Amino acid sequence: ELKVEQNPLFLSMQEEKNYTIYCNYSTTSDRLYWYRQDPGKSLESLFVLLSNGAVKQEGRLMASLDTKARLSTLHITAAVHDLSATYFCAVGAGGSQGNLIFGKGTKLSVKP
Amino acid sequence: NAGVTQTPKFQVLKTGQSMTLQCAQDMNHEYMSWYRQDPGMGLRLIHYSVGAGITDQGEVPNGYNVSRSTTEDFPLRLLSAAPSQTSVYFCASSYGNLRELFFGEGSRLTVL
Repeated sequence: ELKVEQNPLFLSMQEEKNYTIYCNYSTTSDRLYWYRQDPGKSLESLFVLLSNGAVKQEGRLMASLDTKARLSTLHITAAVHDLSATYFCAVGAGGSQGNLIFGKGTKLSVKP
Repeated sequence: NAGVTQTPKFQVLKTGQSMTLQCAQDMNHEYMSWYRQDPGMGLRLIHYSVGAGITDQGEVPNGYNVSRSTTEDFPLRLLSAAPSQTSVYFCASSYGNLRELFFGEGSRLTVL
């Protein structure tokens, strides 16, 4: 059974500091996704990682995937308040290419 | 394009009542799914569909039914609501082929 673990679950950050969120998963998968969710809102796709060593960057966020270690990281560079949200990683599960198993999410709060 | 549209956005039910959460997408996606989101639990897959006439169970299917008569619509039915079904429900769709999921705005359901 595929399990996805994120840590930390809560992260209080100072502006302009760098931080990393970790996503570990228990069995082999060919795809990993990162999503952002603002309070009371829907989920927004951030990154799609489909191969070992994949690295994607958008603004202050950079995601990477190590399929051998079953680990993805979401690195935040020089945090700003606008990045405050909950971030989910999701790993491809069986049954269909669309099925995902989600981590519990990392609630990120950026304080001045 | 409207994307993924869910109705209603909010609903309060009494235990034992039935209801249907509606989901429609206008992106011609073959894959559609329903997730529920509970505090501290991430998102869990309820049911999914890979095309019209094809549905299957996800992680937490008990108490829910689905059907897929058209590519556009994927309703979720609660036959006899229970307090344990109090949650936020998200419908999602994708092109498949490892592409990311697009989520609706969510439906917040309270069962008393």
